[in-house]
Amino acid sequence: DVKVTQSSRYLVKRTGEKVFLECVQDMDHENMFWYRQDPGLGLRLIYFSYDVKMKEKGDIPEGYSVSREKKERFSLILESASTNQTSMYLCASSPLYRGRDEQFFGPGTRLTVL
Amino acid sequence: GEDVEQSLFLSVREGDSSVINCTYTDSSSTYLYWYKQEPGAGLQLLTYIFSNMDMKQDQRLTVLLNKKDKHLSLRIADTQTGDSAIYFCAESIYAGGTSYGKLTFGQGTILTVHP
Repeated sequence: DVKVTQSSRYLVKRTGEKVFLECVQDMDHENMFWYRQDPGLGLRLIYFSYDVKMKEKGDIPEGYSVSREKKERFSLILESASTNQTSMYLCASSPLYRGRDEQFFGPGTRLTVL
Repeated sequence: GEDVEQSLFLSVREGDSSVINCTYTDSSSTYLYWYKQEPGAGLQLLTYIFSNMDMKQDQRLTVLLNKKDKHLSLRIADTQTGDSAIYFCAESIYAGGTSYGKLTFGQGTILTVHP
């Protein structure tokens, strides 16, 4: 079974703090993704990575950065958290293109910034 | 750019059929997907359809694809309370002939099933 785990289910931080969200997958997938999920807006792609040390901006990268030093781990960093970054954050992974782009998701981290 | 649209809410009675609709814009999509998100969980792939198909059936699920109108629907027969969840449609994003596995998701439809 593919497993994608995220370091925390719930997180509460203060404005201005640096926040790290960690994601680990155990299926040797090349592609990894970070989304945020907000009611009525669906999933919006923040960043993705198709290989170690490779990263590409998604649709809403402002205020975020990422790190992928090992194939199985993809970290999302909020350099200086703000209240408008309160959201559900979902990590996903997928194998190199094999005809269809099925993504496997972690359970999500609900981040509240006070 | 790519855009995927869904209605936000659907409420049905247990035992009825549910139909969730989606429109998409990228005519180059080769696959379209339906994902399910149960409360407090991540998304799970429910089913998918290849773009050269009109219909796909999988037990209680029927996916219909109208490529001309760029319309996708998911029908759930005999809907149960356990089907209450958020349903997302998604399409692959292609740029320069490769997708890097990227998907564009709709807003999600919250399905509520009443006893």
